[in-house]
Amino acid sequence: AQSVSQHNHHVILSEAASLELGCNYSYGGTVNLFWYVQYPGQHLQLLLKYFSGDPLVKGIKGFEAEFIKSKFSFNLRKPSVQWSDTAEYFCAVNARSNDYKLSFGAGTTVTVRA
Amino acid sequence: DSGVTQTPKHLITATGQRVTLRCSPRSGDLSVYWYQQSLDQGLQFLIQYYNGEERAKGNILERFSAQQFPDLHSELNLSSLELGDSALYFCASSATPGTSLRETQYFGPGTRLLVL
Repeated sequence: AQSVSQHNHHVILSEAASLELGCNYSYGGTVNLFWYVQYPGQHLQLLLKYFSGDPLVKGIKGFEAEFIKSKFSFNLRKPSVQWSDTAEYFCAVNARSNDYKLSFGAGTTVTVRA
Repeated sequence: DSGVTQTPKHLITATGQRVTLRCSPRSGDLSVYWYQQSLDQGLQFLIQYYNGEERAKGNILERFSAQQFPDLHSELNLSSLELGDSALYFCASSATPGTSLRETQYFGPGTRLLVL
Protein backbone atom coordinates (compact mmCIF):
# COMPACT_ATOMS: atom_id res chain seq x y z
CA ALA A 1 0.00 0.00 0.00
CA GLN A 2 1.09 3.52 -0.66
CA SER A 3 2.19 5.28 2.48
CA VAL A 4 4.28 7.87 4.24
CA SER A 5 6.76 6.60 6.84
CA GLN A 6 8.41 8.58 9.57
CA HIS A 7 11.23 6.61 11.09
CA ASN A 8 11.31 7.98 14.59
CA HIS A 9 8.36 8.02 16.92
CA HIS A 10 10.01 10.11 19.63
CA VAL A 11 13.26 12.05 19.58
CA ILE A 12 14.76 13.61 22.69
CA LEU A 13 17.67 16.01 22.43
CA SER A 14 19.31 18.91 24.17
CA GLU A 15 19.25 22.54 23.11
CA ALA A 16 21.80 23.39 20.42
CA ALA A 17 21.88 19.79 19.17
CA SER A 18 21.22 19.10 15.52
CA LEU A 19 17.98 17.50 14.46
CA GLU A 20 17.20 15.25 11.53
CA LEU A 21 13.83 13.58 11.06
CA GLY A 22 13.40 10.95 8.40
CA CYS A 23 10.48 10.69 6.01
CA ASN A 24 10.01 8.17 3.23
CA TYR A 25 7.08 7.76 0.91
CA SER A 26 6.00 5.05 -1.46
CA TYR A 27 3.96 6.97 -4.01
CA GLY A 28 5.10 6.76 -7.60
CA GLY A 29 5.24 9.58 -10.07
CA THR A 30 5.27 13.25 -9.29
CA VAL A 31 4.81 14.20 -5.67
CA ASN A 32 4.69 17.32 -3.57
CA LEU A 33 6.10 17.10 -0.08
CA PHE A 34 5.37 18.97 3.11
CA TRP A 35 6.48 19.16 6.69
CA TYR A 36 3.99 20.40 9.23
CA VAL A 37 4.61 21.13 12.90
CA GLN A 38 2.12 20.88 15.73
CA TYR A 39 3.15 22.68 18.92
CA PRO A 40 1.54 21.42 22.13
CA GLY A 41 -2.15 22.25 22.11
CA GLN A 42 -2.00 23.98 18.76
CA HIS A 43 -2.97 23.32 15.18
CA LEU A 44 -0.76 22.10 12.37
CA GLN A 45 1.43 24.78 10.87
CA LEU A 46 3.26 24.52 7.58
CA LEU A 47 7.03 24.44 8.08
CA LEU A 48 8.07 24.03 4.47
CA LYS A 49 7.08 22.46 1.19
CA TYR A 50 8.65 21.11 -1.96
CA PHE A 51 6.95 21.39 -5.32
CA SER A 52 9.83 21.42 -7.79
CA GLY A 53 13.25 22.92 -8.44
CA ASP A 54 16.04 22.98 -5.87
CA PRO A 55 15.65 19.82 -3.80
CA LEU A 56 16.95 21.60 -0.73
CA VAL A 57 14.13 23.74 0.61
CA LYS A 58 14.26 26.19 3.44
CA GLY A 59 11.32 26.80 5.71
CA ILE A 60 10.43 28.86 8.69
CA LYS A 61 12.18 28.83 12.06
CA GLY A 62 15.51 27.68 10.58
CA PHE A 63 14.26 24.34 9.28
CA GLU A 64 15.24 22.86 5.95
CA ALA A 65 14.48 19.65 4.11
CA GLU A 66 16.09 17.76 1.30
CA PHE A 67 14.17 15.86 -1.36
CA ILE A 68 16.08 12.85 -2.63
CA LYS A 69 13.99 11.40 -5.43
CA SER A 70 16.02 8.22 -5.81
CA LYS A 71 15.51 7.41 -2.15
CA PHE A 72 11.86 8.55 -1.99
CA SER A 73 12.89 10.62 1.00
CA PHE A 74 12.24 14.11 2.34
CA ASN A 75 14.20 14.47 5.55
CA LEU A 76 13.81 17.48 7.81
CA ARG A 77 16.83 19.11 9.43
CA LYS A 78 17.69 21.90 11.82
CA PRO A 79 21.32 22.58 12.73
CA SER A 80 20.67 23.81 16.27
CA VAL A 81 17.38 23.23 18.06
CA GLN A 82 15.81 25.36 20.75
CA TRP A 83 13.52 24.43 23.60
CA SER A 84 10.69 26.06 21.64
CA ASP A 85 11.09 23.44 18.90
CA THR A 86 9.45 20.90 21.18
CA ALA A 87 6.51 19.74 19.08
CA GLU A 88 5.17 16.99 16.89
CA TYR A 89 6.38 16.96 13.30
CA PHE A 90 4.42 15.49 10.43
CA CYS A 91 5.61 14.67 6.95
CA ALA A 92 2.91 14.77 4.28
CA VAL A 93 2.77 13.81 0.62
CA ASN A 94 0.45 14.92 -2.14
CA ALA A 95 0.60 12.60 -5.14
CA ARG A 96 -1.29 12.34 -8.38
CA SER A 97 -1.29 8.57 -7.87
CA ASN A 98 -3.24 9.15 -4.65
CA ASP A 99 -5.77 11.41 -6.34
CA TYR A 100 -4.03 14.42 -4.85
CA LYS A 101 -5.12 13.54 -1.31
CA LEU A 102 -2.69 14.70 1.33
CA SER A 103 -1.30 11.67 3.18
CA PHE A 104 0.41 12.10 6.51
CA GLY A 105 3.05 10.13 8.29
CA ALA A 106 2.45 9.01 11.87
CA GLY A 107 4.38 11.96 13.24
CA THR A 108 7.55 12.33 15.28
CA THR A 109 7.43 13.86 18.73
CA VAL A 110 10.48 15.99 19.38
CA THR A 111 11.35 16.91 22.94
CA VAL A 112 14.11 19.47 23.42
CA ARG A 113 15.58 19.62 26.88
CA ALA A 114 16.86 22.99 28.09
CA ASP B 1 -2.96 32.04 12.96
CA SER B 2 -3.76 30.25 9.70
CA GLY B 3 -7.02 32.08 9.10
CA VAL B 4 -9.04 28.87 9.37
CA THR B 5 -11.46 28.89 12.27
CA GLN B 6 -13.18 25.98 13.96
CA THR B 7 -15.86 25.80 16.61
CA PRO B 8 -16.26 24.58 19.21
CA LYS B 9 -12.79 24.10 20.60
CA HIS B 10 -13.85 21.31 22.93
CA LEU B 11 -16.87 19.05 22.93
CA ILE B 12 -17.85 16.44 25.49
CA THR B 13 -20.78 14.20 24.77
CA ALA B 14 -22.13 10.72 25.41
CA THR B 15 -22.22 7.59 23.29
CA GLY B 16 -25.10 7.47 20.86
CA GLN B 17 -25.31 11.24 20.56
CA ARG B 18 -24.89 13.46 17.51
CA VAL B 19 -22.64 16.51 17.23
CA THR B 20 -21.84 19.11 14.61
CA LEU B 21 -18.43 20.63 14.12
CA ARG B 22 -18.05 23.86 12.22
CA CYS B 23 -15.26 25.21 10.07
CA SER B 24 -14.73 28.50 8.27
CA PRO B 25 -11.99 28.48 5.63
CA ARG B 26 -9.44 31.20 4.99
CA SER B 27 -10.79 34.14 3.08
CA GLY B 28 -10.86 33.25 -0.61
CA ASP B 29 -10.31 29.52 -0.16
CA LEU B 30 -12.89 27.32 -1.84
CA SER B 31 -11.77 23.90 -0.60
CA VAL B 32 -12.40 22.55 2.87
CA TYR B 33 -10.90 19.31 4.14
CA TRP B 34 -11.74 17.38 7.28
CA TYR B 35 -9.24 15.22 9.15
CA GLN B 36 -9.42 13.05 12.24
CA GLN B 37 -6.39 12.80 14.50
CA SER B 38 -6.36 10.00 17.04
CA LEU B 39 -3.58 8.29 18.96
CA ASP B 40 -4.00 4.95 17.25
CA GLN B 41 -4.84 6.06 13.70
CA GLY B 42 -2.75 9.19 13.38
CA LEU B 43 -3.96 11.93 11.04
CA GLN B 44 -6.59 10.56 8.66
CA PHE B 45 -8.25 12.39 5.79
CA LEU B 46 -12.03 12.18 6.00
CA ILE B 47 -13.60 14.24 3.25
CA GLN B 48 -13.12 17.28 1.03
CA TYR B 49 -15.54 19.83 -0.34
CA TYR B 50 -14.87 22.32 -3.09
CA ASN B 51 -17.20 25.23 -3.68
CA GLY B 52 -20.12 23.38 -2.16
CA GLU B 53 -19.58 20.03 -3.84
CA GLU B 54 -18.04 16.88 -2.41
CA ARG B 55 -14.69 16.46 -4.12
CA ALA B 56 -12.96 13.53 -2.42
CA LYS B 57 -13.63 10.98 0.25
CA GLY B 58 -11.21 9.29 2.56
CA ASN B 59 -11.70 7.08 5.57
CA ILE B 60 -15.01 8.55 6.58
CA LEU B 61 -17.51 6.36 8.42
CA GLU B 62 -21.11 6.15 7.23
CA ARG B 63 -22.15 7.66 10.58
CA PHE B 64 -20.27 10.81 9.61
CA SER B 65 -21.35 13.32 7.01
CA ALA B 66 -20.34 16.78 5.95
CA GLN B 67 -21.51 19.64 3.83
CA GLN B 68 -20.26 22.98 2.60
CA PHE B 69 -22.61 25.92 2.52
CA PRO B 70 -22.89 28.78 -0.01
CA ASP B 71 -20.81 31.02 2.26
CA LEU B 72 -18.15 28.25 2.08
CA HIS B 73 -18.20 27.31 5.74
CA SER B 74 -18.43 23.60 6.34
CA GLU B 75 -19.97 21.38 8.95
CA LEU B 76 -19.01 17.86 9.92
CA ASN B 77 -21.81 15.86 11.46
CA LEU B 78 -20.97 12.89 13.64
CA SER B 79 -23.84 10.66 14.72
CA SER B 80 -24.36 7.55 16.84
CA LEU B 81 -21.13 8.43 18.53
CA GLU B 82 -18.91 5.71 19.94
CA LEU B 83 -16.07 5.87 22.42
CA GLY B 84 -13.63 5.35 19.57
CA ASP B 85 -14.76 8.56 17.90
CA SER B 86 -12.96 10.55 20.57
CA ALA B 87 -10.30 12.44 18.67
CA LEU B 88 -9.12 15.79 17.45
CA TYR B 89 -10.95 16.87 14.31
CA PHE B 90 -9.13 19.30 12.07
CA CYS B 91 -10.40 21.33 9.21
CA ALA B 92 -8.07 22.63 6.53
CA SER B 93 -8.63 24.89 3.58
CA SER B 94 -6.94 25.60 0.29
CA ALA B 95 -7.53 27.87 -2.66
CA THR B 96 -7.68 25.12 -5.25
CA PRO B 97 -9.99 22.16 -5.79
CA GLY B 98 -7.37 19.58 -4.91
CA THR B 99 -6.89 18.47 -8.48
CA SER B 100 -3.31 19.53 -8.72
CA LEU B 101 -0.13 19.00 -6.84
CA ARG B 102 0.54 22.68 -6.43
CA GLU B 103 -1.68 23.37 -3.51
CA THR B 104 -1.11 23.94 0.16
CA GLN B 105 -3.57 23.19 2.90
CA TYR B 106 -3.82 25.46 5.93
CA PHE B 107 -5.16 23.96 9.13
CA GLY B 108 -7.52 25.24 11.75
CA PRO B 109 -7.05 24.86 15.51
CA GLY B 110 -9.18 21.71 15.69
CA THR B 111 -12.10 20.53 17.77
CA ARG B 112 -11.30 18.07 20.52
CA LEU B 113 -14.16 15.62 20.87
CA LEU B 114 -14.51 13.42 23.92
CA VAL B 115 -17.18 10.74 23.88
CA LEU B 116 -17.99 9.32 27.30
